[in-house]
Amino acid sequence: GENVEQHPSTLSVQEGDSAVIKCTYSDSASNYFPWYKQELGKGPQLIIDIRSNVGEKKDQRIAVTLNKTAKHFSLHITETQPEDSAVYFCAASWGGSSYKLIFGSGTRLLVRP
Amino acid sequence: DSGVTQTPKHLITATGQRVTLRCSPRSGDLSVYWYQQSLDQGLQFLIQYYNGEERAKGNILERFSAQQFPDLHSELNLSSLELGDSALYFCASSAGLAVDTQYFGPGTRLTVL
Repeated sequence: GENVEQHPSTLSVQEGDSAVIKCTYSDSASNYFPWYKQELGKGPQLIIDIRSNVGEKKDQRIAVTLNKTAKHFSLHITETQPEDSAVYFCAASWGGSSYKLIFGSGTRLLVRP
Repeated sequence: DSGVTQTPKHLITATGQRVTLRCSPRSGDLSVYWYQQSLDQGLQFLIQYYNGEERAKGNILERFSAQQFPDLHSELNLSSLELGDSALYFCASSAGLAVDTQYFGPGTRLTVL
């Protein structure tokens, strides 16, 4: 069935350290994998996405890697800052002629100053 | 600011009542998605409309319905409300039917008393 598993559910790191969040998906046809950041009281904000024809994508301190064979993808945040503290969601596309996003359960990231 | 607007921001109502949530997509976007976010369920896809037509359905209750109007704004109608319907309801929009980036609105917080 439709499922995206996300780990860990909470993550606490020291400012300047790296943070890694991992997701696995069940649909081998999934081909789009966005990551969203949600701050308290706000809607999810897209921070980076990757499509199945690439294995890695970077945007400044943020990178995403994709392993289609193993059906998992990861978010890497380097040099973390207190403003990175938020809930992060991974998602995977699901569907044929149209599609929807199946979201992971979220990771609450706390960056300690 | 994602460009997606939602009204109202907060809604407090009683069990058994009916409410309507409104969403205006980003300029030029033809697809609108509705999601429910509750504490124990994460982000759950409800329904997608594309250019006025329903295109994909998730775990949307029969008490809930949606539509997309010719000007592309969308409304989510929730009826016979129960305590368990209390949640954040998000609208997202994307350009078309293909696997596109979804941009989320700020959400409507519904409280059913």
